[in-house]
This record gives sequence, structure tokens and C-alpha cells, in this order.
Amino acid sequence: GAVVSQHPSWVICKSGTSVKIECRSLDFQATTMFWYRQFPKQSLMLMATSNEGSKATYEQGVEKDKFLINHASLTLSTLTVTSAHPEDSSFYICSARGQHGAGELFFGEGSRLTVL
Amino acid sequence: AQKVTQAQTEISVVEKEDVTLDCVYETRDTTYYLFWYKQPPSGELVFLIRRNSFDEQNEISGRYSWNFQKSTSSFNFTITASQVVDSAVYFCALSSGTYKYIFGTGTRLKVLA
Repeated sequence: GAVVSQHPSWVICKSGTSVKIECRSLDFQATTMFWYRQFPKQSLMLMATSNEGSKATYEQGVEKDKFLINHASLTLSTLTVTSAHPEDSSFYICSARGQHGAGELFFGEGSRLTVL
Repeated sequence: AQKVTQAQTEISVVEKEDVTLDCVYETRDTTYYLFWYKQPPSGELVFLIRRNSFDEQNEISGRYSWNFQKSTSSFNFTITASQVVDSAVYFCALSSGTYKYIFGTGTRLKVLA
């Protein structure tokens, strides 16, 4: 299957700093990528849909100024958690849709963010 | 409204037992896709299967099999002769229309040696 790579896999930062997470589709072009957040022992919550060359579409309740998403190329989307606080600590997962039909989602390895 | 229900929060079985994970979905769309993903302790999500709404054939892949029944809006997943490596959280998901994925709450499977 297609490969989606996410970096970093884990990051610890101080409260008030910003953290950038990268999501790359390695062997296919992804016009659309999705960012999810997962709290411990819970399901995946869709945060936003990242569209190449245009603004991201955020789900209700997700602060777009807190979670900046950029999709500058067909293979890279970034999520920046700005002015991070301890409550932003979570597991963030990106995914890209396959190119055929509705396409299965291929997921990155996830990034575990801990804000101290 | 679209919804995916995985009523089983956690299941524990002994190695070599068969186990079925339930998934019930709701959608008004006639064209939709159903998926199963595995999330091992390491965290990454692994794609297992995709099924479109027009294909009700059951599928078998090794020890894994899936039973899709539109009449009951269910897409159940069975692992035969379970192994410790099958221990993970399994998510059922639904996609249609806007291609947004709706995930169930997941079922944590523990396979004991």
C-alpha cells in the first residue's frame, strides 16, 4: 500500500512554544490529507481536511488559529500547534487518501505531543 | 446522519480462539465504503480492508474474514485462531459523500497466551 510518513514521531515542548508536525506521502501525490487527534483510549477525531494549494477545512470546535495547517505541495502537509498548552498534549495522526475511487486512507505513524 | 457503532469496548480471548468484532453503521447514502483498521500498541493505523456498498461478498484473507450484511447494516470482522500479535485496537470506519471518514470508538482486543 501507499506510504505516509509523519515526523516527528514524538515531541516534548514547553508551554507557550509552537510545534510543527510534517506529513508526507512518499510514493503518491495526495491532493487531500486529513489530520486527526486521538486522546488515550479514544477514537480518532477529525480535526481538519488539508487541501493542496488552498486553505484547510476545519471541523467544528477546532481552533484554526491554534492548529495551523499548510499543504504547500502534493506530498507534504504540516500541522503547527501554536502556543502549545498541556491540554494540547495528544496523539496527532495524519492521513492521505488513496487515488482510486473513495480510496482507503493511509495513515502516518502518528506524532505524540507532550506539552510540559 | 452517519454513525459507526462498535459496541464492544474490550474483548479478551485466549490464543487460538476465534473472535468476532462487531461493527454497525448508519448512513442514508446508497454509495459508501466501509473499512477496518488495526492500531497496535505502537500507534500507527494499519489498513485491513475496504468494502463498497455494492459488494456484499464476504472476504477471507488468511485468518481474517469479514461479513458485510446491508440488511442489518453490519460489517463484522472475525479473526480465526487468534494470536498474541493480534492484540490491538480495531477501528471500523465509514466513508461516503465528502469522503470524510467516520470512525467507530474502537474495540480493544487482548489475546492472552
